[in-house]
Amino acid sequence: EVQLVESGGGLVQAGGSLRLSCAASGFTFSSYDMHWVRQARGKGLEWVSAIGTAGDTYYPGSVKGRFTISRENAKNSLYLQMNSLGVGDTAVYYCARAPRASGTPDYWGQGTLVTVSS
Amino acid sequence: EIVLTQSPATLSLSPGERATLSCRASQSVSTYLNWYQQKPGQAPRLLIYDASNRASGIPARFSGSGSGTDFTLTISSLEPEDFAVYYCQQRSNWPYTFGQGTKLEIK
Repeated sequence: EVQLVESGGGLVQAGGSLRLSCAASGFTFSSYDMHWVRQARGKGLEWVSAIGTAGDTYYPGSVKGRFTISRENAKNSLYLQMNSLGVGDTAVYYCARAPRASGTPDYWGQGTLVTVSS
Repeated sequence: EIVLTQSPATLSLSPGERATLSCRASQSVSTYLNWYQQKPGQAPRLLIYDASNRASGIPARFSGSGSGTDFTLTISSLEPEDFAVYYCQQRSNWPYTFGQGTKLEIK
């Protein structure tokens, strides 16, 4: 069974940092692209970052230079280092896997809540 | 950045009725358009990928169509469990983007 379990969320002050983790199981982690997507309370979905099987990374302008995605295939783990956090970064953060061939996230974790206080 | 505009924002229908949800892209995304369903407190669930392909385990009452800039998600006969928020998403250009969502509610 495919499982993605996020952790590391919590309350942080504006300007602070947080590192999210996503533990994967039930599939060959190294063969999949991995993504982070966030959702503010009551709002829509926003792409945060992605990392390919070769380690190539992608970010939207809203987080570029502040967030860093990485993966550790030996530990079946995905990470998101978030620096210079602002109140606008408050959201549930989901990790998701995407088959290389389709590029479409097909399984998502249940998310971890990040709250940035002013 | 490609902007996806979904319509309507809210759709009120009864079980058994047909639902038609639209998604329009600000520029062509070819057929690189996906649809997700999200229920309260849950993660998004992939329904349709690449415009018209049902994801694994998705019932046949869900279908997708379109190419270029105009796309449609159709639910042929609504079941009680189908009432949720639906998002379209493009993977044609980075950054991937989502539409703002259509809330499908019980009439």
